[in-house]
Amino acid sequence: AQKVTQAQTEISVVEKEDVTLDCVYETRDTTYYLFWYKQPPSGELVFLIRRNSFDEQNEISGRYSWNFQKSTSSFNFTITASQVVDSAVYFCGSYNQGGKLIFGQGTELSVKP
Amino acid sequence: ETGVTQTPRHLVMGMTNKKSLKCEQHLGHNAMYWYKQSAKKPLELMFVYNFKEQTENNSVPSRFSPECPNSSHLFLHLHTLQPEDSALYLCASSQAPTDSYEQYFGPGTRLTVT
Repeated sequence: AQKVTQAQTEISVVEKEDVTLDCVYETRDTTYYLFWYKQPPSGELVFLIRRNSFDEQNEISGRYSWNFQKSTSSFNFTITASQVVDSAVYFCGSYNQGGKLIFGQGTELSVKP
Repeated sequence: ETGVTQTPRHLVMGMTNKKSLKCEQHLGHNAMYWYKQSAKKPLELMFVYNFKEQTENNSVPSRFSPECPNSSHLFLHLHTLQPEDSALYLCASSQAPTDSYEQYFGPGTRLTVT
């Protein structure tokens, strides 16, 4: 069965600190996709990144970076120099070949000024 | 309008009422989805539509009735709901219901059943 675990329920940091959100996935598929979404207080889920299982190259987009490691079944997300606007709930997800998107429980990030 | 829109944004209804949630996507996508997000729970997929045809019903109670008249519009008809149905209902769309395409979400409808 496919499963995504985000063990950190809540994280609180002070502005300008770096923060890493953990994501561990379980799947029996050889081909799969992993996602991260951001859900600000407005409620809308904002797509951040998609990574397929054959591409383990880490990705950086501005202050955001993602570390995909198949050996540990992890797809962690790091925000560098966090800002108050980064405060949101972040969801990690996996997408199997059947097309079903499975979400983790979410990590609520609070960045304080 | 751009992206995925949902109306109403907030809805309060009694257990005997009938109401409908509306979703519209302006992205030219062919697949649309309904998700339920309850407090302290992961998002749960409810329904999937591809080219107006329902391709997945994730064991959703019959008091939730989806309708997809075309690829751009999706409705969720609600009747005789229970208080535990109070949640954020999110609509999403994607180019196709496969793993190759990311889903784009609307802002959601916050539903409270009294």
